[in-house]
Amino acid sequence: DVKVTQSSRYLVKRTGEKVFLECVQDMDHENMFWYRQDPGLGLRLIYFSYDVKMKEKGDIPEGYSVSREKKERFSLILESASTNQTSMYLCASSLPRGATEAFFGQGTRLTVV
Amino acid sequence: AQKVTQAQTEISVVEKEDVTLDCVYETRDTTYYLFWYKQPPSGELVFLIRRNSFDEQNEISGRYSWNFQKSTSSFNFTITASQVVDSAVYFCALSEYRYSGGGADGLTFGKGTHLIIQP
Repeated sequence: DVKVTQSSRYLVKRTGEKVFLECVQDMDHENMFWYRQDPGLGLRLIYFSYDVKMKEKGDIPEGYSVSREKKERFSLILESASTNQTSMYLCASSLPRGATEAFFGQGTRLTVV
Repeated sequence: AQKVTQAQTEISVVEKEDVTLDCVYETRDTTYYLFWYKQPPSGELVFLIRRNSFDEQNEISGRYSWNFQKSTSSFNFTITASQVVDSAVYFCALSEYRYSGGGADGLTFGKGTHLIIQP
């Protein structure tokens, strides 16, 4: 059974903290993605990576950075968390060139207080 | 830039009715992929279907069917004889083919349609 696993289901952090969201996939996929989901806005792409150490900005990268040191792991970093980053964060992975659908993790609901 | 529009924010029907969820997309690419995902209350996105831009055949899977029309840039989803378990948020998504950088860009999602099936 294919798996994308996010390290936390729920997370509460304070404003100004550095926050790490971790995602691991076991399908040997080249592509990995981070999205945030907000009511009425759907899912929006923050960053994606198509290879180890490679990354590209998505639609809303401001306030975020990412790290991909190993193929199976893709981390989202909030350098200084703010209340407007309170959201559901979804990680996904896929093969390149649309060869398959994207597989999603269960999501991390982050609350910044 | 690519864009996906799901004009129906919420639909409520009674069980056993047929229901169609609309999806209209915009892209400048000739090669692209279209998807439908289901998000039940548990929150995890469940893949339903993937279509590439060169395959306009409609598809049927049990009670689910999809109508892809390039002429109107639409990829609509119909549930026949709806059931309470179909209640969820449904997302349509588009991915453009990338010729460099390893593959398809991330998916661009519509804002979703919340489908409520009443018993």
